[in-house]
Amino acid sequence: EDQVTQSPEALRLQEGESSSLNCSYTVSGLRGLFWYRQDPGKGPEFLFTLYSAGEEKEKERLKATLTKKESFLHITAPKPEDSATYLCAARHKGGGADGLTFGKGTHLIIQP
Amino acid sequence: EPEVTQTPSHQVTQMGQEVILRCVPISNHLYFYWYRQILGQKVEFLVSFYNNEISEKSEIFDDQFSVERPDGSNFTLKIRSTKLEDSAMYFCASSANLAGGISYNEQFFGPGTRLTVL
Repeated sequence: EDQVTQSPEALRLQEGESSSLNCSYTVSGLRGLFWYRQDPGKGPEFLFTLYSAGEEKEKERLKATLTKKESFLHITAPKPEDSATYLCAARHKGGGADGLTFGKGTHLIIQP
Repeated sequence: EPEVTQTPSHQVTQMGQEVILRCVPISNHLYFYWYRQILGQKVEFLVSFYNNEISEKSEIFDDQFSVERPDGSNFTLKIRSTKLEDSAMYFCASSANLAGGISYNEQFFGPGTRLTVL
């Protein structure tokens, strides 16, 4: 059974304090590892897609990396507006119509 | 910037009633999805839809659920006889804009419909 596990469940940081969120996956035939941001009461907002081990992608203060078993979302010098739940999801087959398997998310709070 | 839209934003219904949740996917996208998120839990895949038929469905998507693309723009999720446990946030998503500019694989989500079953 495909599984996506995120840690920690919750993380409280001071503004400017860098950290990393973890996503480990057991998916047969990974066809994409996705990171989303979700604000309370809103839909997931797409951040990154990673396809192969060693791949990295960056957007502002966020950088996502991928190994064969896990992905990290690094947050550098975060600001209060980075507070949100960060979701990791995996797709396990080829083709565009396959659903994503989501983790439970990491609830990130950045204190000013 | 194109986005997925969903209506209504909040739906309250009585147990046993039928509900239809509506979505307008991003124009030119080819793949459409429904997910749900029970309060405090993870986002769960329900069904994917391509070329006017279901491509994949999860165990959650039983005979009480159906999807339809009634015209060129709308994508709907129908729950025939709602149960208390159907109370959740329902998200529509779409992907694969072959016209270019947006990566093939990324699924873009709508703002959701909060369904409350009393």
